[in-house]
Amino acid sequence: EVQLVQSGAEVKKPGESLRISCKGSGYSFTSYWISWVRQMPGKGLEWMGRIDPSDSYTNYSPSFQGHVTISADKSISTAYLQWSSLKASDTAMYYCARYEQQLVGSGGFVDYWGQGTLVTVSS
Amino acid sequence: DIQMTQSPSTLSASVGDRVTITCRASQSISSWLAWYQQKPGKAPKLLIYKASSLESGVPSRFSGSGSGTEFTLTISSLQPDDFATYYCQQYNSYSLTFGGGTKVEIK
Repeated sequence: EVQLVQSGAEVKKPGESLRISCKGSGYSFTSYWISWVRQMPGKGLEWMGRIDPSDSYTNYSPSFQGHVTISADKSISTAYLQWSSLKASDTAMYYCARYEQQLVGSGGFVDYWGQGTLVTVSS
Repeated sequence: DIQMTQSPSTLSASVGDRVTITCRASQSISSWLAWYQQKPGKAPKLLIYKASSLESGVPSRFSGSGSGTEFTLTISSLQPDDFATYYCQQYNSYSLTFGGGTKVEIK
């Protein structure tokens, strides 16, 4: 059974650092890209970026470039989303999502999602 | 980046109604479009991919159509379990984008 299991909810203060994780199981971790998707309270889905776990190549949305870092450790089938300095506006649910690239230069549709990690940033 | 515009943002309907949601892309995305359903507190669920292909296990009352820049998701006969928020997503480029969502409410 394919599963993406995310780390638990976090409560942080502005300026603190944070890394959340997403562990894949039940499939070949290096055969699918992992994306991170933000959902702010009461709002829609926003694609943040993606990583190819086979070579750790990343792409970021311009909206998130420079503010977060996506990484992966294929030896333990885990992807990460990291902040070096959190802001109150980072308060949101974060989902990891896997997909297969459909064509060279394209993305893919998400067939499995993690359960979400709620990040709350408050002083 | 490719922008995705969904309409309406909210839709009030009754059980048994036929419901149509529209998604427009800012440039042609061929058929590289997916639809998801999201319920409160849950991760999204894939319904349709490649504009019109039904994901395994999804009821046949859901269907998708369109290509290029105009796409629709249709629920042929709305069921109680279908009250949720629906999102389109393009994957024509490696930079994915989602529509703003359509909340289907009970009338």
